[in-house]
Amino acid sequence: GAVVSQHPSWVICKSGTSVKIECRSLDFQATTMFWYRQFPKQSLMLMATSNEGSKATYEQGVEKDKFLINHASLTLSTLTVTSAHPEDSSFYICSARGAAYEQYFGPGTRLTVT
Amino acid sequence: QKEVEQDPGPLSVPEGAIVSLNCTYSNSAFQYFMWYRQYSRKGPELLMYTYSSGNKEDGRFTAQVDKSSKYISLFIRDSQPSDSATYLCAMNERGTGKLIFGQGTTLQVKP
Repeated sequence: GAVVSQHPSWVICKSGTSVKIECRSLDFQATTMFWYRQFPKQSLMLMATSNEGSKATYEQGVEKDKFLINHASLTLSTLTVTSAHPEDSSFYICSARGAAYEQYFGPGTRLTVT
Repeated sequence: QKEVEQDPGPLSVPEGAIVSLNCTYSNSAFQYFMWYRQYSRKGPELLMYTYSSGNKEDGRFTAQVDKSSKYISLFIRDSQPSDSATYLCAMNERGTGKLIFGQGTTLQVKP
């Protein structure tokens, strides 16, 4: 149990375009989901906390107008990177909070902006 | 000082060895402790989760928490080449969802 999926697993887009990443909890309902970013050989950096039916809470330094998060249902959260630039190229990972305070992570999405 | 300290390694051991991975933390409010395994270009996989001091065992893995010393460990018995990965400790406070991660320790198990 406790499986989280992400789609797509990798995406290449042109500078200035937008890209949407989906995060789904497959076998449990998640009122809270999280979005992380990870650079090579570094630990995970929390971008935002997403609560179902309410606005996401962004970490300091994360542009909320650039990284749009929607958590419309108990099993789906989306991250849209708007007007993407090459510096947005990274590994994006979502997680869903379990019954207690543990988190289950998706497989990640590798974004390359050309 | 970081809230969670973890030696990044790399740690290299022969197959079959017992591996000890450790984290220290400074926030006494942390109550939930997790160990994740992350393979290259993959999301972290939850290995162990505990919220009390003492030991918790699951197969070849044992998680140990010492709240008085603010020290947690993960032991891997009979290590296998497939255990080669980065291991992340993570913890959080009751009432908050955010996890605080260690830097991760890179482990290589040589056949």
